[in-house]
Amino acid sequence: DTGVSQNPRHKITKRGQNVTFRCDPISEHNRLYWYRQTLGQGPEFLTYFQNEAQLEKSRLLSDRFSAERPKGSFSTLEIQRTEQGDSAMYLCASSPLGKEGGAKNIQYFGAGTRLSVL
Amino acid sequence: GENVEQHPSTLSVQEGDSAVIKCTYSDSASNYFPWYKQELGKRPQLIIDIRSNVGEKKDQRIAVTLNKTAKHFSLHITETQPEDSAVYFCAASPYTNAGKSTFGDGTTLTVKP
Repeated sequence: DTGVSQNPRHKITKRGQNVTFRCDPISEHNRLYWYRQTLGQGPEFLTYFQNEAQLEKSRLLSDRFSAERPKGSFSTLEIQRTEQGDSAMYLCASSPLGKEGGAKNIQYFGAGTRLSVL
Repeated sequence: GENVEQHPSTLSVQEGDSAVIKCTYSDSASNYFPWYKQELGKRPQLIIDIRSNVGEKKDQRIAVTLNKTAKHFSLHITETQPEDSAVYFCAASPYTNAGKSTFGDGTTLTVKP
């Protein structure tokens, strides 16, 4: 599979539980991004990694959210003590690190993990 | 930070007609403007993009125009087909890091056969 893979596709949990999502980017893509998308809105940037380094986190990412990319390949996004407001589609995207002017700045999205917090 | 506004939120056209979706952005530092198509239950897919050093770009039935002075850019789809029905998102970002895109809220395009 040459695309971005996310697991699970759907997750239903009870409020207060912890959940973890996984993203496998396209092989050799240096950059990996997490977004959150709620119904009727565009994706909102959460955080991104360049290789294993987490370079930026959005203010949307509260202390209950943590993301890792330990070996610079796959990434996990964990939400602790989930709240109903966390219900959303969590999208992962990856892109290669290209030079200025190249076509490598394009990002490829995964199909997302839909989280429902009851 | 960047703010992207997209209009209209819904658009219905007859097959064969043209469709135009417009976006405005606020941050003059943004210089890369991709457009994504998202079909129901599927991932966003890049359909066309433009850099700020270009005023217009075309790819078959799809074109994008950019007015950097006015900070607005538009998607034009000609000869629409039912399979063009989807949600379309515009976005703005620094070219060196397109993954930090700020997205519009989307336009639901319906093409009636």
